[in-house]
Amino acid sequence: GQNIDQPTEMTATEGAIVQINCTYQTSGFNGLFWYQQHAGEAPTFLSYNVLDGLEEKGRFSSFLSRSKGYSYLLLKELQMKDSASYLCAVRDSGGKLIFGQGTELSVKP
Amino acid sequence: DGGITQSPKYLFRKEGQNVTLSCEQNLNHDAMYWYRQDPGQGLRLIYYSQIVNDFQKGDIAEGYSVSREKKESFPLTVTSAQKNPTAFYLCASRDSGAAYEQYFGPGTRLTVT
Repeated sequence: GQNIDQPTEMTATEGAIVQINCTYQTSGFNGLFWYQQHAGEAPTFLSYNVLDGLEEKGRFSSFLSRSKGYSYLLLKELQMKDSASYLCAVRDSGGKLIFGQGTELSVKP
Repeated sequence: DGGITQSPKYLFRKEGQNVTLSCEQNLNHDAMYWYRQDPGQGLRLIYYSQIVNDFQKGDIAEGYSVSREKKESFPLTVTSAQKNPTAFYLCASRDSGAAYEQYFGPGTRLTVT
């Protein structure tokens, strides 16, 4: 079967660093995506990993280990506006995106 | 401005009625997708289309229908056969090539009573 796991909720303090983990088991792998979604809004693209290693983009970084079926999203210098749901998604061999349930991040002052 | 539009933002219907959700994109993308999102759950794929006049069922297609007569448009009909239609519906599109991410529309929140 296809399965993507990520924690349901996380809480962090403004200015801190938080790591959101994602593990996956899918039929084929054609890349892993992270999206940010504020309540009631559309998801917006954050990062894409297809090879092992770390991709850095400003305050956000994403890591992938294909052999372990594991990724994480790292958010640095947290701001209040980073409070949102973070969605991990894997593109399977058929080209479809399989989404995890999302991690609700609360950033507190 | 290029983008994906969905209308309306909020939609209310009585049980037993069919309802059609609009999705239009001017990004010249070939592929379009419909997802459903329920509280505490991830996005689940309803239908997708990779080219005009062709579409495939996703994981939860029962009770839904689509058409893809134009590249820009991919309307979703929620039929009376859908047992739990109240949800947040998201449309997305993607350019060709595996590396390209999906772009999402603003969503339609459908409430059926």
